[in-house]
Amino acid sequence: EVQMLESGGGLVQPGGSLRLSCAASGFTFTTYAMTWVRQAPGKGLEWVSSIADSNDGRTFYADSVKGRFTISRDVSKSTLFLQMSSLRVEDTAVYYCAKAGTGTDMVFHSWGPGTLVTVSS
Amino acid sequence: VLTQSPATLSLSPGERATFSCRASESVFSYLAWFQQKPGQAPRLLIYDASNRATGIPARFSGSGSGTDFTLTISSLEPEDFAVYYCQQRYKWPPVTFGQGTRLEIK
Repeated sequence: EVQMLESGGGLVQPGGSLRLSCAASGFTFTTYAMTWVRQAPGKGLEWVSSIADSNDGRTFYADSVKGRFTISRDVSKSTLFLQMSSLRVEDTAVYYCAKAGTGTDMVFHSWGPGTLVTVSS
Repeated sequence: VLTQSPATLSLSPGERATFSCRASESVFSYLAWFQQKPGQAPRLLIYDASNRATGIPARFSGSGSGTDFTLTISSLEPEDFAVYYCQQRYKWPPVTFGQGTRLEIK
């Protein structure tokens, strides 16, 4: 069974940093692209960042986080990361990781339950 | 830009639900539909406009191509009341989502 479990969320002050993790299981982690999607309280879904499968390795970012967030993966631990820095109040959201398709195929087949990030002073 | 309509749909169990998603330019068939219940992650229902995802009941169907897409639930079950989002992956980055349609019990 495909599963993802996010962790690392919490309360952080504006300008601070946080690293989110997403532990994946039930599939060959290197074969699939992975994605972070966020949802601000009471709002819709917003794509944040994606990383292609391990053969490709390219990374992609929404303009709203470019230069502040970094996506990466540790294939030995089947874990996806999102390093977030220079956090803003508007980054407050539930952050979901999702398994995409092979290569850079952005069909988000499976999602984790999410982790809440709150940016507030 | 993806625009979903209506914002809210009020229907009763057993009725047919129709959701619309319109793209500002052609996304060909690179469109997906998700269902999200309160406090839960989104769930993929339909990808590539008309392909049901694994485990999705046959009462869910998708159609359309280019700029106009439709998600249909043929006969509503109590568990279908949720928010529905469309998403395009033709021209990315960025991947974009519609603003969502809330399906509520009438």
